[in-house]
Amino acid sequence: QKEVEQNSGPLSVPEGAIASLNCTYSDRVSQSFFWYRQYSGKSPELIMSIYSNGDKEDGRFTAQLNKASQYVSLLIRDSQPSDSATYLCAVNRGNTPLVFGKGTRLSVIA
Amino acid sequence: NAGVMQNPRHLVRRRGQEARLRCSPMKGHSHVYWYRQLPEEGLKFMVYLQKENIIDESGMPKERFSAEFPKEGPSILRIQQVVRGDSAAYFCASSTGTGSAGNTIYFGEGSWLTVV
Repeated sequence: QKEVEQNSGPLSVPEGAIASLNCTYSDRVSQSFFWYRQYSGKSPELIMSIYSNGDKEDGRFTAQLNKASQYVSLLIRDSQPSDSATYLCAVNRGNTPLVFGKGTRLSVIA
Repeated sequence: NAGVMQNPRHLVRRRGQEARLRCSPMKGHSHVYWYRQLPEEGLKFMVYLQKENIIDESGMPKERFSAEFPKEGPSILRIQQVVRGDSAAYFCASSTGTGSAGNTIYFGEGSWLTVV
């Protein structure tokens, strides 16, 4: 079983719509959860971190965590073409190195 | 620039040569991580270091790869006798390693290794 799973996509959404990106993880004792954005040929850029069950909002981004279901998601409201990128979900337990999913490729169509 | 600094950004090596990749962590960070990303693949953890110590090298190939983070100077990822399969992007990341946000890591711009 893969530790962090994401649908590879591509996920295509029209400009202005909500993009919903999902991630599941296998390690029940995971404590910290992160979303990174990676443009083609560039390095990953931190978008959000979340540690507790529920929602966390930052601008157009909302992270949602459900530890009982071992599920974390990222919602992007009012999607823009500049949001087109690969979104990486990352998980760890305490101070262990982050484990990354393979990423979901998002395409926002103008 | 207070971010994670990596060099070289691009490196071309012939098969059998050595590649050395350098990483200076973000100011105030003492924990360094190296990840490798093969084309169309996800980020794979290689090694986690603090100053003068390797904390976790479970993702490091057993042969030809080594890493260090000396008391003075940058962290270095060394690949000996490179093969074509080593061609990849190598990302360094750093963190404070302490506190509630201590496991948040920030990436450098990466070093792209091409083996010809």
